[in-house]
Amino acid sequence: KAGVTQTPRYLIKTRGQQVTLSCSPISGHRSVSWYQQTPGQGLQFLFEYFSETQRNKGNFPGRFSGRQFSNSRSEMNVSTLELGDSALYLCASRTGAGRTGELFFGEGSRLTVL
Amino acid sequence: AQSVAQPEDQVNVAEGNPLTVKCTYSVSGNPYLFWYVQYPNRGLQFLLKYITGDNLVKGSYGFEAEFNKSQTSFHLKKPSALVSDSALYFCAVRGPGSGGGADGLTFGKGTHLIIQP
Repeated sequence: KAGVTQTPRYLIKTRGQQVTLSCSPISGHRSVSWYQQTPGQGLQFLFEYFSETQRNKGNFPGRFSGRQFSNSRSEMNVSTLELGDSALYLCASRTGAGRTGELFFGEGSRLTVL
Repeated sequence: AQSVAQPEDQVNVAEGNPLTVKCTYSVSGNPYLFWYVQYPNRGLQFLLKYITGDNLVKGSYGFEAEFNKSQTSFHLKKPSALVSDSALYFCAVRGPGSGGGADGLTFGKGTHLIIQP
């Protein structure tokens, strides 16, 4: 079974631009979460989607948004990029939306903002 | 709010020796606890979890963790370390929840485990 696939793996943007990151979950997984990883803040929860609905959202500004499609694939968008948005963005999927299931992570999209 | 503390930024262990990576948590109600490992430039890999039941949980690659409710700890252990165990280890918690709000996994800052040959 294929794992979680994230594209692109690396990208460079300039301040003020916007970026869209894509995530294909493991087949059969209906829940997709996004996390931001930085050296200073560690891993921080962005949001989670289940069956095309945002279930939970972390403490990030409105510039960070996401969506999930009917095939469970998800995208996240960051508008008006700032230098501090440089990070590894990790997508994770799991079978359901319960509290006990473990997450399966992709290898991440590394965003550099210049 | 829930939180996780990994008090050691780095743990150094000689190959063949037992290893422990420490984790303490704070959450309202019964916790759901997880350990993940991250290799350089890779995503996180699930090692093990505690949901309920036996306090000693066994996971992948020979790792185990002991849940201690009174000390609010969930330390990761392995009886005999391998050089290939060298990586970044994260402890994470999810509370029982109330159905709303920011409710993803809360991760610790991570502990670099270095196994010396």
